[in-house]
Amino acid sequence: EIVLTQSPGTLSLSPGERATLSCRASQSVTSGYLAWYQQKSGQAPRLLIYSASTRTTGIPDRFSGSGSGTDFTLTISRLEPEDFAVYYCQQYATSPVTFGGGTKVEIK
Amino acid sequence: EGQLLESGGGLVQPGGSLRLSCAASGFTFNTFAMSWVRQAPGKGLEWVSYLSASGGDTYYADSVKGRFTISRDNSNNALYLQMNFLRVEDTAIYYCARLQGPWWFDPWGQGTLVTVSS
Repeated sequence: EIVLTQSPGTLSLSPGERATLSCRASQSVTSGYLAWYQQKSGQAPRLLIYSASTRTTGIPDRFSGSGSGTDFTLTISRLEPEDFAVYYCQQYATSPVTFGGGTKVEIK
Repeated sequence: EGQLLESGGGLVQPGGSLRLSCAASGFTFNTFAMSWVRQAPGKGLEWVSYLSASGGDTYYADSVKGRFTISRDNSNNALYLQMNFLRVEDTAIYYCARLQGPWWFDPWGQGTLVTVSS
């Protein structure tokens, strides 16, 4: 199975700053089959991005995804107060689908 | 857009059984594959099981294979997870989620907590 490693584990930033989250795969994620989710405390995960770079409906354009192969990035251009949460990547190129361990974006 | 609402969680002893339910609304349920994903307390996400739209194809994570059974009732827009021979390590919030595209999850239910403890 593909192991996804997210870094850093915790990102301490201020509102208005740029956040860059990394997701590295143990083998190539073909066709860019990678999604990103946001999970706020006590809530279910919410889909942000699929196919590595396509924002789902209703997700603001300050969220962007990029990457291919084994290296993927989620960028939040300017952090809003509601963006402080845990973010997970997920690959669906091979079975079983797997998730990364998450990156927590916290207020500095 | 669609909504999912899980129920059936609770406290159960090791070796016991529990049946989770997920009620779907706001979309044509019988045209979507569905899954269960779990999250142990303070941990990350783990895919558990998959069921095709028709109910004819199922897949399970190795950690639950032979113990859990996924099923659906398309006439009542419901998804189920029968969990037998429960272990302490099955303790988690269990989410049902609709599958989109090749295999991403959207939306998710709010989750139901399963605690396996003596």
